[in-house]
Order: sequence, then structure tokens, then C-alpha cells
Amino acid sequence: DIQMTQSPSTLSASVGDRVTITCRASQSLNNWLAWYQQKPGKVPKLLIYKASTLESGVPSRFSGSGSGTEFTLTISSLQPDDFATYYCLQYSSPSGFGQGTRLEI
Amino acid sequence: QVQLVQSGAEVKKPGSSVKVSCKTSGGSFSSYDINWVRQAPGQGLEWMGRIIPLLGRADYAQKFQGRVTIIADRSTSTAYMEVNSLRSEDTAVYYCARAIDVVVPSPIGYWGQGTAVTVSS
Repeated sequence: DIQMTQSPSTLSASVGDRVTITCRASQSLNNWLAWYQQKPGKVPKLLIYKASTLESGVPSRFSGSGSGTEFTLTISSLQPDDFATYYCLQYSSPSGFGQGTRLEI
Repeated sequence: QVQLVQSGAEVKKPGSSVKVSCKTSGGSFSSYDINWVRQAPGQGLEWMGRIIPLLGRADYAQKFQGRVTIIADRSTSTAYMEVNSLRSEDTAVYYCARAIDVVVPSPIGYWGQGTAVTVSS
């Protein structure tokens, strides 16, 4: 299976900050990489897929980049609603999630 | 709209099995991957496996090979996930989740409400 390493595990930031979360894969993903946001007690929400395609309805302050084995999720200006846990998912076969990044105030 | 409705919470003894169902509506059941993901209390998301109902073929994370079985019943648009030889570490919320596109590979975009499975003697 492809191994996903996500960092950092916890990120402290303030409203208005620009933050970046990274996922590294143990082999090339051909950009089959998605990012999710999860809040306590809720199911994950798809933000980005195919490494950089913004899902419909997701604010443009979220962006994804990268290729091959290294990918990033960037939030350009943190809003209060953005404090949550973020996961990457490689969806080649078989799939796998990163360990998660808890974004806290 | 797309809906995935899962079966209710389960309490199981160590060594037993559990089977969780996921009935889908909205869109063609056969054409979209159905994934199973679990989340232990306070922990991250863990991908377990997926099935393409049209092909009836499932693939699994290496960790779950041989202990998890995923099947799809096209006549009722329902997917099932069975875990055998349960242990306390299998206590988690189990989610079924559907791909957003028929073109594979496709990321998960729709989720069931989750089924809590508790393994305790």
C-alpha cells in the first residue's frame, strides 16, 4: 500500500493567517490526491481533488498544489469557520488517508 | 440528491463478527465506487476498502485483507461491510462513502451517517 505522511499533526494559527499543510506519498500518485475538512461529530467535507481542483461551493481561500509525491493544502486567510481537522486522501488503488492535521486557534 | 443510509449501532463481543449495511439512493448505484472508512474515538480516518458494484470486485487496505469483506447488492442498491474476529481496537464509527464521479479513480464526496460499533466483553 502507498503510505501517506501528513504534517504537521497540529497547527496553531490566528484568524487572517496563511497556513499550509503537507502530504507526502511513498510513491507517485498521478495527482489522485484529495483534501478534506472534518469538524467534531461531522462527516468529512471534500475541499480539493485531483491535487488542485476546488470542489464546487468551497471558498477560494482554499487551494491545493503539488504533484508526484508531495502535495500541499493552503488556506490563504484563515476564517473562524476553518478551525477543524484536515486530512489528505490518496485515491488510487488501494486508497489511504494521511494522519490528519488539527488546526487550532 | 445522493443519500447513503447506514444500519444502526452495534455492540459485539471480542471474536465475533459485525455486518454493516449502506443503502444508497440518487444516482446509479452500479456505477460509483462505494468505500468504507472507519474512525476510532479521538483518532483519524482509516480507509478500509472499496467496491465497484458494476464489477462486484472489491479491494482492501493491506491491514484488513482477509478480515474484512465488502459486497454490493445491485438489486437493492445496498453495500455491506463485514468485519470478522473483532477485537477491542475495532471499536469505531464505520462510514460508507460514495465517489463523486463514475470515472475511476474518483475521490469520496458523499458519506453515510456512520455506524458506531463497540467491541466489549
